Amino acid sequence: KAGVTQTPRYLIKTRGQQVTLSCSPISGHRSVSWYQQTPGQGLQFLFEYFSETQRNKGNFPGRFSGRQFSNSRSEMNVSTLELGDSALYLCASSPNGGGYGYTFGSGTRLTVV
Amino acid sequence: KNEVEQSPQNLTAQEGEFITINCSYSVGISALHWLQQHPGGGIVSLFMLSSGKKKHGRLIATINIQEKHSSLHITASHPRDSAVYICAVSLMDSNYQLIWGAGTKLIIKP
Repeated sequence: KAGVTQTPRYLIKTRGQQVTLSCSPISGHRSVSWYQQTPGQGLQFLFEYFSETQRNKGNFPGRFSGRQFSNSRSEMNVSTLELGDSALYLCASSPNGGGYGYTFGSGTRLTVV
Repeated sequence: KNEVEQSPQNLTAQEGEFITINCSYSVGISALHWLQQHPGGGIVSLFMLSSGKKKHGRLIATINIQEKHSSLHITASHPRDSAVYICAVSLMDSNYQLIWGAGTKLIIKP
């Protein structure tokens, strides 16, 4: 079966711009969670969506937002990009959260210049 | 203090050696996950544990719930095992996010 698809794989943006990243989960999985990975902070939880509802949110500023569509595909948006937003953004697909295991996408590497 | 602590941070070994990576946590969990990340970023889930021991090929993961400790073992290590190994936990009262350890960078030399 198809894995978790994240697009685009690489992205270069300028400070102040906004960006939208996409994640298509495994068919039948209704939970999508997003993580940011930076060399200094490691992996940090952004938010999790289940059936189009945000169930949990990490400690990120309001510039980071997300949504989930009825087909479980999820997007995350970062507005007013800052240099510190340069990171690998990973999404994880699950039937319904942590007790069911996760499958990860390959990530989107965002560089803000 | 981090909720999930891994050791060692870096590990270099010769091909064939038995490898152990440790993970300790300080919170109530519903599950513990071991994951592998290769250069380039993609993460692969290796194990999900809530008790006991699991084995997959040359990889073995154990968890001791009372001691809040888990270990990942690699037998007969091979250069292709070189990667970052990450321990993460799903919280008991908030099952919808992972709390991550800092990772162990493993290098296996031929």
